[in-house]
Amino acid sequence: GQQVMQIPQYQHVQEGEDFTTYCNSSTTLSNIQWYKQRPGGHPVFLIQLVKSGEVKKQKRLTFQFGEAKKNSSLHITATQTTDVGTYFCAGRAGTYKYIFGTGTRLKVLA
Amino acid sequence: EAGVTQFPSHSVIEKGQTVTLRCDPISGHDNLYWYRRVMGKEIKFLLHFVKESKQDESGMPNNRFLAERTGGTYSTLKVQPAELEDSGVYFCASSQGLVYEQYFGPGTRLTVT
Repeated sequence: GQQVMQIPQYQHVQEGEDFTTYCNSSTTLSNIQWYKQRPGGHPVFLIQLVKSGEVKKQKRLTFQFGEAKKNSSLHITATQTTDVGTYFCAGRAGTYKYIFGTGTRLKVLA
Repeated sequence: EAGVTQFPSHSVIEKGQTVTLRCDPISGHDNLYWYRRVMGKEIKFLLHFVKESKQDESGMPNNRFLAERTGGTYSTLKVQPAELEDSGVYFCASSQGLVYEQYFGPGTRLTVT
């Protein structure tokens, strides 16, 4: 079945450093969504990517969708303590369901 | 506009008991998803409704789990009888369509002892 892996599982960075999480799917995706879950909270939608090679930016966050639509990345420039949380990708492979990645837990040290 | 609501927020039950979780999606959202997150692991898909129809229930662990969405509004997820491995946080999410963002509820933390 479809699998979505994310690396790294954990990342500790000093405030101001950059952070990247990578998402890899075993199958070609129709679209991919990114979510952030703060400790004790629920996932909150960040962005959706649909087109091959698509790049979207939101302030310090840059999202990319691979040319083959099997991988994606989220890059945060100059992390802040408010960036703390777990980042999930969620891919859909032409079906009704979204398969969530394993998540990357980000800790930002002040 | 009210967000997705879930009830209860916490539930502690003994093995063998029954629990029913409820999700009220955002008004007008035909798509409703149930997910489960166990002990900080991945968010695992359980099933997907479009209105009152189950489109995909391939993630339901076994026949101890029963989800319904009568009338295409709120949804319930019943676990009967509950087992220890059913513990986790159950999230409900709703969306306007398949390629729209999903709005998650606050989750129900289920503990089976």
